Amino acid sequence: EIVLTQSPGTLSLSPGERATLSCRASQSVSSSYLAWYQQKPGQAPRLLIYGASSRATGIPDRFSGSGSGTDFTLTISRLEPEDFAVYYCQQYGSSPRWTFGQGTKVEIK
Amino acid sequence: EVQLVESGGGLVKPGGSLRLSCAASGFTFSSYSMNWVRQAPGKGLEWVSSISSSSSYIYYADSVKGRFTISRDNAKNSLYLQMNSLRAEDTAVYYCARANIAARPSYFDYWGQGTLVTVSS
Repeated sequence: EIVLTQSPGTLSLSPGERATLSCRASQSVSSSYLAWYQQKPGQAPRLLIYGASSRATGIPDRFSGSGSGTDFTLTISRLEPEDFAVYYCQQYGSSPRWTFGQGTKVEIK
Repeated sequence: EVQLVESGGGLVKPGGSLRLSCAASGFTFSSYSMNWVRQAPGKGLEWVSSISSSSSYIYYADSVKGRFTISRDNAKNSLYLQMNSLRAEDTAVYYCARANIAARPSYFDYWGQGTLVTVSS
């Protein structure tokens, strides 16, 4: 099973700042089959990024994903008030054994 | 508009059973693989089970194998999760999630709002 480790656990930033979230895999994620999801309190997760760097439908271009192999990054170029949430990475290359990272909380400083 | 609406959650005693449902609308349900994902209170996401569009392929996480059964009724646009021998550690919000049809392997492109299952005496 591929284990995903996200860092940091919590990121304290102000609106307008840049957020950089990391997701590291215990073994190589084949063909960059990595997705990112956003979850706000009391809500379901929402797909942001798939294929490590492709934005899902309707996702603003301030969200970008990068990386390959074992190291992946989600970047939010300028934080908007609605971006403060928990973010999860997910690998789907070894499906049907999908795994998620433990999450990074982006909170208002 | 794609909609996934879960129901059937509630309070159940350890060793008990519960059946969750997910009603789908806004897309051709019979063409999509579907999944259950859970989230324990204050914790992260855990994939639970997956079923292919025609029910030919079914998979379970090791943590629920032998206790949970996933199924679907394409005529009713519905997904189910039969949960038996429930344990305290099964307490979670259970989400149904659609697998993207264009991607193989696939990520989850739409999620329901979830239904809470609490296992406690």
